[in-house]
Amino acid sequence: SQQGEEDPQALSIQEGENATMNCSYKTSINNLQWYRQNSGRGLVHLILIRSNEREKHSGRLRVTLDTSKKSSSLLITASRAADTASYFCADFMNRDDKIIFGKGTRLHILP
Amino acid sequence: DGGITQSPKYLFRKEGQNVTLSCEQNLNHDAMYWYRQDPGQGLRLIYYSQIVNDFQKGDIAEGYSVSREKKESFPLTVTSAQKNPTAFYLCASSTGTGTEAFFGQGTRLTVV
Repeated sequence: SQQGEEDPQALSIQEGENATMNCSYKTSINNLQWYRQNSGRGLVHLILIRSNEREKHSGRLRVTLDTSKKSSSLLITASRAADTASYFCADFMNRDDKIIFGKGTRLHILP
Repeated sequence: DGGITQSPKYLFRKEGQNVTLSCEQNLNHDAMYWYRQDPGQGLRLIYYSQIVNDFQKGDIAEGYSVSREKKESFPLTVTSAQKNPTAFYLCASSTGTGTEAFFGQGTRLTVV
Protein backbone atom coordinates (compact mmCIF):
# COMPACT_ATOMS: atom_id res chain seq x y z
CA SER A 1 0.00 0.00 0.00
CA GLN A 2 1.32 3.43 -0.89
CA GLN A 3 0.73 6.11 1.66
CA GLY A 4 1.38 9.14 -0.52
CA GLU A 5 0.35 10.15 -3.98
CA GLU A 6 2.22 12.82 -5.91
CA ASP A 7 0.61 15.23 -8.32
CA PRO A 8 1.22 15.81 -11.16
CA GLN A 9 2.67 12.53 -12.41
CA ALA A 10 4.82 14.45 -14.90
CA LEU A 11 5.81 18.09 -15.25
CA SER A 12 7.79 19.94 -17.92
CA ILE A 13 8.87 23.54 -17.37
CA GLN A 14 11.38 26.00 -18.83
CA GLU A 15 14.69 26.45 -17.12
CA GLY A 16 14.49 29.29 -14.64
CA GLU A 17 10.82 28.75 -13.82
CA ASN A 18 9.56 27.41 -10.51
CA ALA A 19 8.33 23.84 -10.18
CA THR A 20 5.67 22.79 -7.70
CA MET A 21 4.83 19.20 -6.83
CA ASN A 22 2.15 18.05 -4.45
CA CYS A 23 1.78 15.01 -2.23
CA SER A 24 -1.46 13.88 -0.61
CA TYR A 25 -1.96 11.27 2.10
CA LYS A 26 -4.82 9.04 3.16
CA THR A 27 -3.92 8.66 6.85
CA SER A 28 -2.11 10.89 9.32
CA ILE A 29 1.36 12.22 8.49
CA ASN A 30 4.33 11.46 10.74
CA ASN A 31 7.69 12.61 9.37
CA LEU A 32 7.21 13.51 5.74
CA GLN A 33 10.27 13.39 3.53
CA TRP A 34 11.03 14.34 -0.05
CA TYR A 35 13.56 12.49 -2.19
CA ARG A 36 15.01 12.94 -5.68
CA GLN A 37 15.92 10.13 -8.06
CA ASN A 38 17.99 10.64 -11.16
CA SER A 39 17.30 8.14 -13.91
CA GLY A 40 18.56 4.66 -13.06
CA ARG A 41 20.05 5.72 -9.73
CA GLY A 42 19.24 5.47 -6.05
CA LEU A 43 17.19 8.06 -4.19
CA VAL A 44 18.72 11.05 -2.49
CA HIS A 45 17.12 12.67 0.53
CA LEU A 46 16.18 16.32 0.02
CA ILE A 47 14.28 17.52 3.05
CA LEU A 48 12.26 16.29 6.03
CA ILE A 49 9.32 18.09 7.60
CA ARG A 50 7.82 16.94 10.87
CA SER A 51 4.12 16.77 11.56
CA ASN A 52 4.26 19.81 13.86
CA GLU A 53 6.02 21.98 11.24
CA ARG A 54 4.27 23.95 8.51
CA GLU A 55 7.10 25.11 6.27
CA LYS A 56 10.76 24.35 5.74
CA HIS A 57 13.44 25.73 3.43
CA SER A 58 16.67 24.30 2.10
CA GLY A 59 18.47 26.31 -0.56
CA ARG A 60 16.13 26.51 -3.58
CA LEU A 61 13.70 24.05 -2.00
CA ARG A 62 10.63 24.98 -0.01
CA VAL A 63 8.36 22.37 1.54
CA THR A 64 4.98 23.06 3.11
CA LEU A 65 2.80 20.74 5.12
CA ASP A 66 -0.96 21.04 5.67
CA THR A 67 -2.06 18.35 8.09
CA SER A 68 -5.72 19.39 7.86
CA LYS A 69 -5.67 18.66 4.13
CA LYS A 70 -3.26 15.73 4.52
CA SER A 71 -1.00 17.26 1.88
CA SER A 72 2.50 18.58 1.30
CA SER A 73 4.07 20.53 -1.52
CA LEU A 74 7.63 20.82 -2.78
CA LEU A 75 8.63 24.02 -4.56
CA ILE A 76 11.87 24.22 -6.51
CA THR A 77 12.69 27.82 -7.40
CA ALA A 78 14.76 29.00 -10.37
CA SER A 79 14.91 25.52 -11.88
CA ARG A 80 18.04 24.22 -13.58
CA ALA A 81 18.67 21.43 -16.07
CA ALA A 82 20.21 19.38 -13.25
CA ASP A 83 16.85 19.37 -11.45
CA THR A 84 15.50 16.98 -14.10
CA ALA A 85 14.63 13.90 -12.06
CA SER A 86 11.79 12.09 -10.35
CA TYR A 87 10.66 13.40 -6.99
CA PHE A 88 9.05 11.25 -4.31
CA CYS A 89 7.39 11.98 -1.03
CA ALA A 90 7.67 9.42 1.74
CA ASP A 91 6.27 8.98 5.21
CA PHE A 92 7.93 7.28 8.15
CA MET A 93 5.36 5.11 9.88
CA ASN A 94 6.07 5.34 13.61
CA ARG A 95 4.00 2.32 14.48
CA ASP A 96 6.21 -0.12 12.57
CA ASP A 97 9.26 1.84 11.32
CA LYS A 98 8.33 1.46 7.66
CA ILE A 99 9.12 4.15 5.14
CA ILE A 100 6.38 4.28 2.52
CA PHE A 101 6.84 6.08 -0.79
CA GLY A 102 4.44 7.63 -3.26
CA LYS A 103 4.58 7.04 -7.02
CA GLY A 104 6.58 10.16 -7.75
CA THR A 105 6.51 13.17 -10.07
CA ARG A 106 8.77 13.14 -13.13
CA LEU A 107 10.17 16.63 -13.60
CA HIS A 108 11.73 17.68 -16.89
CA ILE A 109 13.48 21.01 -17.18
CA LEU A 110 13.52 22.32 -20.74
CA PRO A 111 16.54 24.37 -21.92
CA ASP B 1 33.62 6.86 3.25
CA GLY B 2 30.31 5.97 4.91
CA GLY B 3 27.58 4.69 2.70
CA ILE B 4 25.43 1.88 1.43
CA THR B 5 26.61 -0.42 -1.34
CA GLN B 6 24.57 -2.66 -3.57
CA SER B 7 26.06 -5.27 -5.84
CA PRO B 8 26.02 -6.17 -8.59
CA LYS B 9 24.71 -3.20 -10.57
CA TYR B 10 23.29 -5.44 -13.30
CA LEU B 11 22.21 -9.05 -12.90
CA PHE B 12 20.82 -11.52 -15.37
CA ARG B 13 19.03 -14.65 -14.27
CA LYS B 14 17.50 -17.59 -16.05
CA GLU B 15 13.94 -18.48 -15.26
CA GLY B 16 13.70 -20.95 -12.40
CA GLN B 17 16.90 -19.84 -10.70
CA ASN B 18 17.25 -18.15 -7.34
CA VAL B 19 19.49 -15.09 -7.17
CA THR B 20 20.81 -13.08 -4.23
CA LEU B 21 21.29 -9.31 -4.26
CA SER B 22 23.83 -7.87 -1.87
CA CYS B 23 23.35 -4.80 0.33
CA GLU B 24 26.02 -3.61 2.78
CA GLN B 25 26.13 -0.44 4.88
CA ASN B 26 28.79 1.05 7.14
CA LEU B 27 26.61 3.80 8.57
CA ASN B 28 25.89 1.86 11.77
CA HIS B 29 22.17 2.05 10.96
CA ASP B 30 19.76 -0.29 12.71
CA ALA B 31 17.06 -0.29 10.03
CA MET B 32 17.43 -1.60 6.51
CA TYR B 33 14.90 -1.83 3.67
CA TRP B 34 14.42 -3.45 0.28
CA TYR B 35 12.26 -1.82 -2.38
CA ARG B 36 11.25 -2.83 -5.87
CA GLN B 37 10.77 -0.25 -8.61
CA ASP B 38 9.17 -0.98 -11.97
CA PRO B 39 9.57 1.38 -14.96
CA GLY B 40 7.89 4.73 -14.37
CA GLN B 41 6.58 3.55 -11.02
CA GLY B 42 7.14 4.33 -7.38
CA LEU B 43 8.88 2.20 -4.78
CA ARG B 44 7.16 -0.79 -3.26
CA LEU B 45 8.42 -2.22 0.02
CA ILE B 46 9.51 -5.87 -0.09
CA TYR B 47 11.06 -6.48 3.34
CA TYR B 48 12.49 -4.40 6.11
CA SER B 49 14.52 -5.02 9.23
CA GLN B 50 14.62 -2.88 12.35
CA ILE B 51 17.33 -4.84 14.12
CA VAL B 52 19.72 -7.74 13.64
CA ASN B 53 18.08 -11.19 13.43
CA ASP B 54 14.65 -9.67 12.88
CA PHE B 55 12.78 -8.65 9.73
CA GLN B 56 9.21 -8.03 8.58
CA LYS B 57 7.34 -8.46 5.33
CA GLY B 58 6.47 -5.40 3.34
CA ASP B 59 3.69 -5.04 0.79
CA ILE B 60 5.09 -7.42 -1.84
CA ALA B 61 7.13 -10.07 0.03
CA GLU B 62 5.85 -13.11 -1.90
CA GLY B 63 8.66 -14.76 -3.86
CA TYR B 64 11.41 -13.01 -1.90
CA SER B 65 13.43 -13.88 1.20
CA VAL B 66 15.92 -11.98 3.35
CA SER B 67 18.29 -12.48 6.25
CA ARG B 68 19.82 -10.07 8.78
CA GLU B 69 22.62 -11.94 10.49
CA LYS B 70 24.85 -8.86 10.72
CA LYS B 71 23.99 -5.23 11.29
CA GLU B 72 25.88 -4.23 8.14
CA SER B 73 24.29 -6.69 5.75
CA PHE B 74 20.76 -7.32 4.44
CA PRO B 75 20.83 -9.62 1.40
CA LEU B 76 17.72 -10.20 -0.68
CA THR B 77 17.07 -13.49 -2.45
CA VAL B 78 14.72 -13.47 -5.41
CA THR B 79 13.36 -16.99 -5.60
CA SER B 80 11.93 -18.89 -8.53
CA ALA B 81 8.52 -18.38 -6.92
CA GLN B 82 8.59 -14.68 -7.85
CA LYS B 83 6.47 -14.56 -11.01
CA ASN B 84 7.75 -11.31 -12.46
CA PRO B 85 11.20 -10.59 -11.01
CA THR B 86 12.56 -8.27 -13.70
CA ALA B 87 12.82 -4.89 -11.95
CA PHE B 88 15.12 -2.33 -10.34
CA TYR B 89 15.86 -3.21 -6.71
CA LEU B 90 16.83 -0.58 -4.18
CA CYS B 91 18.25 -1.09 -0.71
CA ALA B 92 18.15 1.61 1.96
CA SER B 93 19.12 2.10 5.57
CA SER B 94 18.22 4.54 8.31
CA THR B 95 18.58 5.02 12.03
CA GLY B 96 15.02 3.75 12.27
CA THR B 97 13.76 6.74 14.22
CA GLY B 98 12.09 8.70 11.45
CA THR B 99 15.20 10.29 10.00
CA GLU B 100 16.31 10.20 6.39
CA ALA B 101 16.97 6.99 4.53
CA PHE B 102 20.19 6.45 2.61
CA PHE B 103 19.92 4.50 -0.62
CA GLY B 104 22.28 2.32 -2.58
CA GLN B 105 22.63 2.78 -6.33
CA GLY B 106 20.36 -0.14 -7.09
CA THR B 107 20.56 -3.50 -8.84
CA ARG B 108 18.80 -3.99 -12.15
CA LEU B 109 17.67 -7.60 -12.39
CA THR B 110 16.65 -9.07 -15.73
CA VAL B 111 15.23 -12.54 -16.15
CA VAL B 112 16.22 -14.09 -19.48
